[in-house]
Amino acid sequence: EDKVVQSPLSLVVHEGDTVTLNCSYEVTNFRSLLWYKQEKKAPTFLFMLTSSGIEKKSGRLSSILDNKELFSILNITATQTGDSAVYLCAVTISNFGNEKLTFGTGTRLTIIP
Amino acid sequence: GAGVSQSPSNKVTEKGKDVELRCDPISGHTALYWYRQSLGQGLEFLIYFQGNSAPDKSGLPSDRFSAERTGGSVSTLTIQRTQQEDSAVYLCASSLGRLRRGVYEQYFGPGTRLTVT
Repeated sequence: EDKVVQSPLSLVVHEGDTVTLNCSYEVTNFRSLLWYKQEKKAPTFLFMLTSSGIEKKSGRLSSILDNKELFSILNITATQTGDSAVYLCAVTISNFGNEKLTFGTGTRLTIIP
Repeated sequence: GAGVSQSPSNKVTEKGKDVELRCDPISGHTALYWYRQSLGQGLEFLIYFQGNSAPDKSGLPSDRFSAERTGGSVSTLTIQRTQQEDSAVYLCASSLGRLRRGVYEQYFGPGTRLTVT
């Protein structure tokens, strides 16, 4: 059974701190790993990672994939209250020629001013 | 439209009733996905459409759930004889085509919060 596990489940830090969110996976026919930010209902896309060891960066957020050890991390530096959200990790798998996402349960990040 | 839209935004129904949830994808997006997110849970894949056909229905939790898509656009997710465990946020997403390595962006709608009493 395909599995995506995120840790920690929740995290509370002070504004300005740096956080690292983890995502590990056990899937067949891995295609890519994606990170989303979910504040209310609709997740918004952050990163897609397909190549191991190559860091993707967007402002204070960065992410990297290790497809030998089967995990990814999402880093947020100099956190702000607007970073408070649930961060979802998802893995794209190929299923009989069709591709779909399997999501982790998310990490709830709370930034205290 | 500018983004994926879903209706209703909230639905409260009595156990045993049928409900229909609607998704309007971004114009021109051929792929459409339904997900369910229960309280404290991750997103659970339900069904995927490519055009009007559904090559992957593996996520539908029971035969009370069905979905259709017409004209390669609007999709409806129908839940018959609703149960309390069906209470969740139902999210729809669309993308330009099939997910492909290196070419991907999936846009989510705002979701429908379903509460079965």
